[in-house]
Amino acid sequence: DGGITQSPKYLFRKEGQNVTLSCEQNLNHDAMYWYRQDPGQGLRLIYYSQIVNDFQKGDIAEGYSVSREKKESFPLTVTSAQKNPTAFYLCARSGRTDYGYTFGSGTRLTVV
Amino acid sequence: GENVEQHPSTLSVQEGDSAVIKCTYSDSASNYFPWYKQELGKRPQLIIDIRSNVGEKKDQRIAVTLNKTAKHFSLHITETQPEDSAVYFCAASMGTSYDKVIFGPGTSLSVIP
Repeated sequence: DGGITQSPKYLFRKEGQNVTLSCEQNLNHDAMYWYRQDPGQGLRLIYYSQIVNDFQKGDIAEGYSVSREKKESFPLTVTSAQKNPTAFYLCARSGRTDYGYTFGSGTRLTVV
Repeated sequence: GENVEQHPSTLSVQEGDSAVIKCTYSDSASNYFPWYKQELGKRPQLIIDIRSNVGEKKDQRIAVTLNKTAKHFSLHITETQPEDSAVYFCAASMGTSYDKVIFGPGTSLSVIP
């Protein structure tokens, strides 16, 4: 899995509900990222974190929240304020000498 | 902020032919340019990257070229095979360890047997 694990693989959300996507890495890397991918589209940055207890908004942060209380974990909450949350969510990590990203296997979120 | 454009959006080639995907970027401070391949339903995977102090890099059947003056970079795949069929994303970043990466919209490559 490249040292990064996302769960669950599939998630269904009801209207008005908050849901949390899990992302865990075991390589002691500082930087972690969340991207959203819509069908036939590219990857858009939601949030990223370069150090514990600190994170920055990406291009499409509205309706999402994150936390980085531990180095190995960077969960993403999709709040009820996100009006169109159906998408494929990808978490990534990068390290000090590893400039390219390694992605998790993704979570496919569907609103029902 | 950085903006990455990518062309074409779809590309079909006969098996054995070459495929070329072209990208442009907007921020002259960007100096690291990775390429990712994403097969249907799977995660993107890094296939090759290039830094701005290098004009070309090869790895077996794939090569990347970079023209920093023109802010262009390209992916070349030779002797294409059906397993090369996937979506390819170019990207750009400032190139330090923890920099965010900005992706292009992707090119869907189909290799016809």
